[in-house]
Amino acid sequence: DAGVIQSPRHEVTEMGQEVTLRCKPISGHDYLFWYRQTMMRGLELLIYFNNNVPIDDSGMPEDRFSAKMPNASFSTLKIQPSEPRDSAVYFCASSPPGLRRTGELFFGEGSRLTVL
Amino acid sequence: QQQVKQSPQSLIVQKGGISIINCAYENTAFDYFPWYQQFPGKGPALLIAIRPDVSEKKEGRFTISFNKSAKQFSLHIMDSQPGDSATYFCAARARGSQGNLIFGKGTKLSVKP
Repeated sequence: DAGVIQSPRHEVTEMGQEVTLRCKPISGHDYLFWYRQTMMRGLELLIYFNNNVPIDDSGMPEDRFSAKMPNASFSTLKIQPSEPRDSAVYFCASSPPGLRRTGELFFGEGSRLTVL
Repeated sequence: QQQVKQSPQSLIVQKGGISIINCAYENTAFDYFPWYQQFPGKGPALLIAIRPDVSEKKEGRFTISFNKSAKQFSLHIMDSQPGDSATYFCAARARGSQGNLIFGKGTKLSVKP
């Protein structure tokens, strides 16, 4: 089975540009998470959805960041305008129903963003 | 505010040795403690997990030891192999949370042949 699919794998952009990161969760999974990974701060949860509804967006750093999940098989994380401090690896993860019992998150391979 | 503190940041172990990574937490309302393994260029993957009602869990060469009173838990890798070289993250989940994992900052393990 295909895992969590993220695109693009690498993105280099200039400060002020809009960046859109995409994620396709594993079919049948009803939880979707966006994490950001940096050397300084490690893995940070940005936002997560359950059944396409945002549950907790308290980790979204500021209004420049937005995330949507229009259907069960697709989510986007958008940064507008981007800044150099947004440079990081962004991970999408999904989990099946019963997350409280199983606890396992399935991560994609990440999107490495560099903002010049 | 970091709620899960992980040490060491990096670790070098000889093949066949024991690798030990430690984590400490402050929030007593955590109810699930997983360890994730990440290889370069890949996303983290669940390695092993424990709930606070047990003190130890073993899966193959990997063991979690959990000390509820000290609010500490550790990962032991027995007979470490070069293929175990990766970054390891401990994490904790708040009771009542559906999936919000709080991760430690990671330990980069290198196993020398």
